[in-house]
Formats: sequence, C-alpha cells, structure tokens
Amino acid sequence: AQSVTQLDSHVSVSEGTPVLLRCNYSSSYSPSLFWYVQHPNKGLQLLLKYTSAATLVKGINGFEAEFKKSETSFHLTKPSAHMSDAAEYFCVVSDVGYNDMRFGAGTRLTVKP
Amino acid sequence: EADIYQTPRYLVIGTGKKITLECSQTMGHDKMYWYQQDPGMELHLIHYSYGVNSTEKGDLSSESTVSRIRTEHFPLTLESARPSHTSQYLCASSRTGGEYTQYFGPGTRLTVL
Repeated sequence: AQSVTQLDSHVSVSEGTPVLLRCNYSSSYSPSLFWYVQHPNKGLQLLLKYTSAATLVKGINGFEAEFKKSETSFHLTKPSAHMSDAAEYFCVVSDVGYNDMRFGAGTRLTVKP
Repeated sequence: EADIYQTPRYLVIGTGKKITLECSQTMGHDKMYWYQQDPGMELHLIHYSYGVNSTEKGDLSSESTVSRIRTEHFPLTLESARPSHTSQYLCASSRTGGEYTQYFGPGTRLTVL
C-alpha cells in the first residue's frame, strides 16, 4: 500500500525567497505523484503531477517538483515566493487502481511581506 | 479550471436533519469521489464510484450514503445529521485510465449544531 509523508506541517518564508515543501512517499509499484494547493475556503487545485515521464515536473504558478526514486522524495519548490502562494499544499501518491490516492497531512505555507 | 460544482457551499443545520450534498461535473468523467476533510487535516476518501450504478466505500467509515444514477451527478446524503458530521466535504472526478488526475469541486462546509 502506498503512503505519503509531508515532513513539515508549517513552512514560513519571506516574499521573494525560495520555497521548499518536502514530501516523501512509499509505494509498492511505480507511483504517480501529485501536488495540490488549497486556498482558504476553496477546493483543491492541481499544481503538478509526475506520471513516469520526466523526473523534473513543472507546474502552474512557477512551481516545480523533482521525482527522486532513490530518495523516495517528491519535494515542491519555487524560486521566489509570492504573497498569493500562501495556502495549504498536499502531496499525493497514487498506485495502480488510480482511484486510490493517498493524501499527505498537508503543509501550510505562510508568506511574510 | 475544472467544471465540477458543489452545492451548497456552506450549510448549517440542526441535529437529526436529513441533508443531501450535491456534486455535478460536466467533463464526462466516469469516476467520482467524496472526501471528508477536517480543518487543517488531510483528506479521507469516504465514497467513490466507477460509473453509473457503481458506488463503493472508501477508507474512512462514514454514515453517509451516495448514489450514481447519472454520470454527471454524485450526491451524498446524511439521513440524520449529527455534530460529529461537521466537516468539509470535497467532491472530485477523474477519467478512467490514461489521464486520471482528480479534479476537485470547491467543497461544502457542513456544520451540524
């Protein structure tokens, strides 16, 4: 069975500085990995996904993530944080069966002016 | 932006009431899902459907029920709401095979007094 661990429940950065949100996964098969963002009182929006193609995945709003099989990691990064990036971010792993997506507990990103 | 809708967005009701949370998608997706999310917590899958007349229970036990009479519609019903049902309910949909990314609705925040 697959699982995902988000290593930080809360990350705080200053506007204009880099963002790193960490995610480790466990999977019995070749996983698909996703990052979703949730702004307050909103649903989840897909940021990016890895599905066994290029290991460096570029998403929306300047975010990207790198799939590292040897480290079982899929960390989310952005070179320069913007105030609008403040939100909850969820790392998700999916094995075969596709309906079975395991969500991490979430990382709350705060961006200080 | 994905075309998946949830109504109502917010609902406050008294204990013992029967409620139905609506979810509709216009993307022709076969698979649909209901997740429950407590504030600041991860998402838990409570129901999913592979298509019309298909419903399955998810990982988290729930007293709610679902139906799938039409492809685009996946309502969730609580026959007798209790305060323990207070939560956010998120609906999602995805294709079958190939591109299976889940797209989420805005959620319904339910408060049972």
